[in-house]
Amino acid sequence: DAGVIQSPRHEVTEMGQEVTLRCKPISGHDYLFWYRQTMMRGLELLIYFNNNVPIDDSGMPEDRFSAKMPNASFSTLKIQPSEPRDSAVYFCASSFKRTTGELFFGEGSRLTVL
Amino acid sequence: SQQGEEDPQALSIQEGENATMNCSYKTSINNLQWYRQNSGRGLVHLILIRSNEREKHSGRLRVTLDTSKKSSSLLITASRAADTASYFCATGKTGANNLFFGTGTRLTVIP
Repeated sequence: DAGVIQSPRHEVTEMGQEVTLRCKPISGHDYLFWYRQTMMRGLELLIYFNNNVPIDDSGMPEDRFSAKMPNASFSTLKIQPSEPRDSAVYFCASSFKRTTGELFFGEGSRLTVL
Repeated sequence: SQQGEEDPQALSIQEGENATMNCSYKTSINNLQWYRQNSGRGLVHLILIRSNEREKHSGRLRVTLDTSKKSSSLLITASRAADTASYFCATGKTGANNLFFGTGTRLTVIP
């Protein structure tokens, strides 16, 4: 199994630009999570999906953030417009059948907004 | 905060020594998990202990859970340089639908 695949691994952009992060979960997993990690705030849950449906987006910081899961094998997290305070590592994780069971994380997308 | 708190924040030991990290949390849980994160990488699941369990082993890892004190410990025996990483506890809280991660312990094992 290839594991959770995220792209890009690194993204450097300028303030105001649109950023799209991508995730392919493990095949057969029915839950997908987007987390953000910063030194100041640690690991924060942004949103999670069950069977492609967004269940809890209360962690999404503001309307500039949006996430979609058009099918079971693909999800995107979009930031538009991006701001320097969005600089962080964004992780995608997936799990099978449970939201509080073992999570499988991707390698993350490190975003730097100048 | 709903996050767990790991203690210590950083730990440096010699190879071959044991490393103990602690996690405290605030509310009732269904389970508690430990994850490892190598620098620049994603988190990797190490072990899960359920609320009705008190101790669990996996290889060189030993996890204990004391629900009365709302705390857990992770013991890594006979540490190796490759164990150098950050370690996070994550709690599955009763009635919640996602995990809450702690702030992490940065472990350095000196060869």
